[in-house]
Amino acid sequence: DQQVKQNSPSLSVQEGRISILNCDYTNSMFDYFLWYKKYPAEGPTFLISISSIKDKNEDGRFTVFLNKSAKHLSLHIVPSQPGDSAVYFCAASAGAGANNLFFGTGTRLTVIP
Amino acid sequence: DVKVTQSSRYLVKRTGEKVFLECVQDMDHENMFWYRQDPGLGLRLIYFSYDVKMKEKGDIPEGYSVSREKKERFSLILESASTNQTSMYLCASSSGTKNQPQHFGDGTRLSIL
Repeated sequence: DQQVKQNSPSLSVQEGRISILNCDYTNSMFDYFLWYKKYPAEGPTFLISISSIKDKNEDGRFTVFLNKSAKHLSLHIVPSQPGDSAVYFCAASAGAGANNLFFGTGTRLTVIP
Repeated sequence: DVKVTQSSRYLVKRTGEKVFLECVQDMDHENMFWYRQDPGLGLRLIYFSYDVKMKEKGDIPEGYSVSREKKERFSLILESASTNQTSMYLCASSSGTKNQPQHFGDGTRLSIL
């Protein structure tokens, strides 16, 4: 049973506009959330994270929003650049033990020049 | 920067062979993980380890085993390779501190013929 869901397999955005990637989760014990970016033939690269005590975390062009009541998080990229074209995975952890992560199935973002 | 190194980028083996995938990290991380990534399924956890000689099953351990004799090295073993084990295999490591991201290697694309 998929505890972390990314319902949009793909997203296309014009360069300079905002990209919004969404993620839903079912386990209310999750308290740490992450976004990873993956280029073809490379491993996922950690992008940004947020703990459940916050509802927003910002790092440059990337902002993650967390809505705990809706069990929803989103990644905003502003402005989008062609180099942002990649597969984005959201992940969540209950923070216990070995920090096991539960991953979504990924959203392929294409930024059109 | 954390460096997670997987010994092979591409590997081709035959059905029934015993296959070893090696992973080394240079950050003295307590936790190490093996995932496989398949289209439409995201990253699925095979095994993880939170200490030397310790191992725990993930979501899909069948047909695999692991070995962690030294803190920096985590090996994935396919005891008798089968065609349904053709996949991208990703190794990751993380600190034992709560709420820390996992850092990934570049992956091994394994084909079983």
